[in-house]
Amino acid sequence: DTEVTQTPKHLVMGMTNKKSLKCEQHMGHRAMYWYKQKAKKPPELMFVYSYEKLSINESVPSRFSPECPNSSLLNLHLHALQPEDSALYLCASSQDRTGVRQPQHFGDGTRLSIL
Amino acid sequence: AQSVTQLGSHVSVSEGALVLLRCNYSSSVPPYLFWYVQYPNQGLQLLLKYTSAATLVKGINGFEAEFKKSETSFHLTKPSAHMSDAAEYFCAVTPITGGGNKLTFGTGTQLKVEL
Repeated sequence: DTEVTQTPKHLVMGMTNKKSLKCEQHMGHRAMYWYKQKAKKPPELMFVYSYEKLSINESVPSRFSPECPNSSLLNLHLHALQPEDSALYLCASSQDRTGVRQPQHFGDGTRLSIL
Repeated sequence: AQSVTQLGSHVSVSEGALVLLRCNYSSSVPPYLFWYVQYPNQGLQLLLKYTSAATLVKGINGFEAEFKKSETSFHLTKPSAHMSDAAEYFCAVTPITGGGNKLTFGTGTQLKVEL
């Protein structure tokens, strides 16, 4: 069992739909991440939140909108996605201590299919 | 920019044989290095990490890796492969300071274990 929980596990949506992905952790981590992973490829970083504030946006299209309502929860709001956005979306979390790199812990992901 | 190179996108070993997965990093300053494993339809699980303490790092499931600065390498090994080790393995790097704890992944190595 992973300590980072992602829901839903699978999502199929049309290009005009609005949906959200949810990620939750209760390890007291203050850094949370969204990654996109295409088949047979490594994860690609999308966003980083540190202490509930967006610290990194890797030039992600605006049809992806992240939100961090509190220190345990991370959402990814989806709107008007394209077929090429179909992928596994992974959430991760880590401790965030200045000067000490902590490993990231990953959830099992949401497999997203865009029709 | 830091990067890692994983030599061999596919590695096949017999059950009971030595597992060797190669990872070389590119950085002017030794970074922090990680090995992650990804089983089908799952997220990434941390196997082990190098954070400038001991150069020989022991991880979970009998895996270990040795940091060699002179060779800029961090190869993953396991003395005896088991069928359950079949998975995708990613080497990843993050700078010791700065960069917001961004992980940069290698392209991955698919490990196949045969009877």
